[in-house]
Amino acid sequence: NAGVTQTPKFQVLKTGQSMTLQCAQDMNHNSMYWYRQDPGMGLRLIYYSASEGTTDKGEVPNGYNVSRLNKREFSLRLESAAPSQTSVYFCASRRDRGLAGYTFGSGTRLTVV
Amino acid sequence: AQKITQTQPGMFVQEKEAVTLDCTYDTSDPSYGLFWYKQPSSGEMIFLIYQGSYDQQNATEGRYSLNFQKARKSANLVISASQLGDSAMYFCAMREVRPMEYGNKLVFGAGTILRVKS
Repeated sequence: NAGVTQTPKFQVLKTGQSMTLQCAQDMNHNSMYWYRQDPGMGLRLIYYSASEGTTDKGEVPNGYNVSRLNKREFSLRLESAAPSQTSVYFCASRRDRGLAGYTFGSGTRLTVV
Repeated sequence: AQKITQTQPGMFVQEKEAVTLDCTYDTSDPSYGLFWYKQPSSGEMIFLIYQGSYDQQNATEGRYSLNFQKARKSANLVISASQLGDSAMYFCAMREVRPMEYGNKLVFGAGTILRVKS
């Protein structure tokens, strides 16, 4: 049972390059999320998807796009990377019922130079 | 809008002693959930404990307990008998309980770094 799988784990980009961060979960969760973590600021929500076929902006969506490809996969795309997007990115999913139920991936450390 | 405040950027505690990490929250929703996560230096997010807004008793999970004071809007984490392995970043988070289509988003505080001294 893999849980939430993120790829890649590390990435270095040059300013202006594009890339897609991949996220897949095997728990049949409807809700999925992308967060970024910066020192002193905790985790901030970039985009979320409450169900397959829907996506919505979070707190810091500028510079990003997302795709909910199917129920399992939720990708995050940087069209033109900027140094301000240097961060650690976490994907998470949530069980629809029950108390807690959020499962996080292991994170992607992205550096934009 | 939801907001989580963790006022302690860093804390030290002596091994085997108890420590309290502070968390205050702001929400206008009557139904919400409060979470604590641990992030060790390896980076993964580890769920520790959960408290629902309507729960009558404070949540406990092993050495972790949540001191929930609803009127004060505080949800402090208490770690008893600290161990060296407790050294990590700790995040308080909240979600408002809404129908599924609203996403049930988690909002995080800035975190507290805990260092356990031997």
